[in-house]
Amino acid sequence: DAGVIQSPRHEVTEMGQEVTLRCKPISGHNSLFWYRQTMMRGLELLIYFNNNVPIDDSGMPEDRFSAKMPNASFSTLKIQPSEPRDSAVYFCASSLQDEAFFGQGTRLTVV
Amino acid sequence: GDSVTQMEGPVTLSEEACLTINCTYTATGYPSLFWYVQYPGEGLQLLLKATKADDKGSNKGFEATYRKETTSFHLEKGSVQVSDSAVYFCALSYNTDKLIFGTGTRLQVFP
Repeated sequence: DAGVIQSPRHEVTEMGQEVTLRCKPISGHNSLFWYRQTMMRGLELLIYFNNNVPIDDSGMPEDRFSAKMPNASFSTLKIQPSEPRDSAVYFCASSLQDEAFFGQGTRLTVV
Repeated sequence: GDSVTQMEGPVTLSEEACLTINCTYTATGYPSLFWYVQYPGEGLQLLLKATKADDKGSNKGFEATYRKETTSFHLEKGSVQVSDSAVYFCALSYNTDKLIFGTGTRLQVFP
């Protein structure tokens, strides 16, 4: 298996634009997590899914952020409209039991 | 709620020095405990884990023991290498539930 695949690796966008981050979890894994990492706030859990159902989205910062998991092999994190303070590295991770496997992340820069 | 506290970094060591990175946790139940490592430009990867009290996790010369009486899971290595330079995250979770991470500790090893 190729591991958790995230795209794009880097994204630069202008303030106000819509941004969509994509994640393909490891086949067979039933939990998927979206994290955000910044120097100031460290690693924050935004949302996680179990069997494609959102379980906890309390970490989603505001209504500009939304996440979907239409099937077991794909998830998206959308920011609309984007703001400079959304600049961060966004990680997707998947797990079957207790070990989570992380993707390489998407570095988002909003200018 | 559940939480993880790690020692502040950066930790700066010379090659072959001994390493200890402290981690304590607060938990309402009996979680599994983890150490993840993040190398520059990459996602997190599991370093070691322990699933119950008194278990010792070990990998690549690193080890940590699940201490229920002191609610700790300190990371240790007897002789660090330059290649160990990375950010180390302590975390806890309950089965397939979300991982709760500490803030991370940066380790810098100089030749």
